[in-house]
Amino acid sequence: SAVISQKPSRDICQRGTSLTIQCQVDSQVTMMFWYRQQPGQSLTLIATANQGSEATYESGFVIDKFPISRPNLTFSTLTVSNMSPEDSSIYLCSVDGTVTREAFFGQGTRLTVV
Amino acid sequence: GDSVTQMEGPVTLSEEAFLTINCTYTATGYPSLFWYVQYPGEGLQLLLKATKADDKGSNKGFEATYRKETTSFHLEKGSVQVSDSAVYFCALSDQGYSTLTFGKGTMLLVSP
Repeated sequence: SAVISQKPSRDICQRGTSLTIQCQVDSQVTMMFWYRQQPGQSLTLIATANQGSEATYESGFVIDKFPISRPNLTFSTLTVSNMSPEDSSIYLCSVDGTVTREAFFGQGTRLTVV
Repeated sequence: GDSVTQMEGPVTLSEEAFLTINCTYTATGYPSLFWYVQYPGEGLQLLLKATKADDKGSNKGFEATYRKETTSFHLEKGSVQVSDSAVYFCALSDQGYSTLTFGKGTMLLVSP
């Protein structure tokens, strides 16, 4: 299994500012994934982050709004830029458990934009 | 595109009651199906999975059977406990196990 630590666990931010969410994994993984869960909605995949290459974004998500870094095989960050109240969501980091073939998730970051 | 529909919550039950949470899906091909659980303050954890039609996933007394003919993967438990109170997510993947399409989640509240 993989243990994922996400920081911060929650934050309240002013509109127009940016927040960077960190995701640390206790083992090396090839792919890391970022999801968003808006209030009352499903989890939606934002992007896939591979080490050494630019992240691949899903439809509706762009790099300028959600820049992602993946400097090594155990760490990634997601930045929510120029925030508006519509960005209030839970953001989750996930990794592929290659051996067990299941996805592992961090505890999420609950973001409120005021 | 792929989609997952699960019943709205919250589902409120007394301890030892029977639980069913309905889940249906739309997908191309033959997806793998999952139930994830999120306990308060924690991340999502895989509860059970099924990778082909008629497979039954089971764990911690929970079961779900992959029904291709009805495109369903309903979650059941014969006798719920207070400790089962959590949010349950049905999900599918047709691109491997990491890129998932989720339902909206169903909150389960079990009272003593």
